[in-house]
Amino acid sequence: GESVGLHLPTLSVQEGDNSIINCAYSNSASDYFIWYKQESGKGPQFIIDIRSNMDKRQGQRVTVLLNKTVKHLSLQIAATQPGDSAVYFCAGEGVTGGGNKLTFGTGTQLKVEL
Amino acid sequence: DVKVTQSSRYLVKRTGEKVFLECVQDMDHENMFWYRQDPGLGLRLIYFSYDVKMKEKGDIPEGYSVSREKKERFSLILESASTNQTSMYLCASRGTGKLNGYTFGSGTRLTVV
Repeated sequence: GESVGLHLPTLSVQEGDNSIINCAYSNSASDYFIWYKQESGKGPQFIIDIRSNMDKRQGQRVTVLLNKTVKHLSLQIAATQPGDSAVYFCAGEGVTGGGNKLTFGTGTQLKVEL
Repeated sequence: DVKVTQSSRYLVKRTGEKVFLECVQDMDHENMFWYRQDPGLGLRLIYFSYDVKMKEKGDIPEGYSVSREKKERFSLILESASTNQTSMYLCASRGTGKLNGYTFGSGTRLTVV
C-alpha cells in the first residue's frame, strides 16, 4: 500500500522567515497531492494541491514542489506569520484502487516565534 | 459557504455505551469519510462511503460501524465504546472525479471514561 509521511514532527521559524515543510511518499504511481493546514481545535483546511505532471505550483504565499524522482514534496511558506502556526499534513492519492481516498502523513507542527 | 458539519464538538461517554457521531454535508458530495486522529499517528481511515447505502472499510474499522441512509448524512457508530476509542474524530466529504480535495468538518473530540 501507499504510505505518506512527513520528515519532522516540529518546525520552529522566526516570524518573517520562510518555512519549508517536507513530505515523502512511497507509491511512485501517486498522481495527486494536497497540503492541509490544521489549526488547534479545528478540522484540516485545504491549502494547495499539485498533480504529478507538474513539479511546482504557487498560491498566495505558498509554493508546493514535487520531486517525483525521489518521491518527495515540500510546502514553502513565504514570510511566515503567527497565523501560520498549525499542523501541516500532506496527502496523496494513487492511480489504482483507493481512487476516492487520500493517504495522509502524520503532520508537522509549525511554530512561529515572534 | 459550503461546509461539513459534525453535530458535537465534545462528547464524554461511558465504557460500553453505544455512541453515534453525526456528519452532514451540504455540497451534494458522493463520497464521505470518517477518520480518527491521534497524536503521532496522523489521520487513520475508519470507514468511507461512495454512495447512499454503500460503505467500505478503511484501515481501522474494528469496533465501528457506519450508516449512510441519505446522501448528505454519514453516521459513525461505536457499538460499545471503549477507552481506546478516545480520540478526535473527523468527517470529510469529496465530490466525484479525481483531483479534488476533501472538505473536513471541525471534528468531534470523544472521551470514553
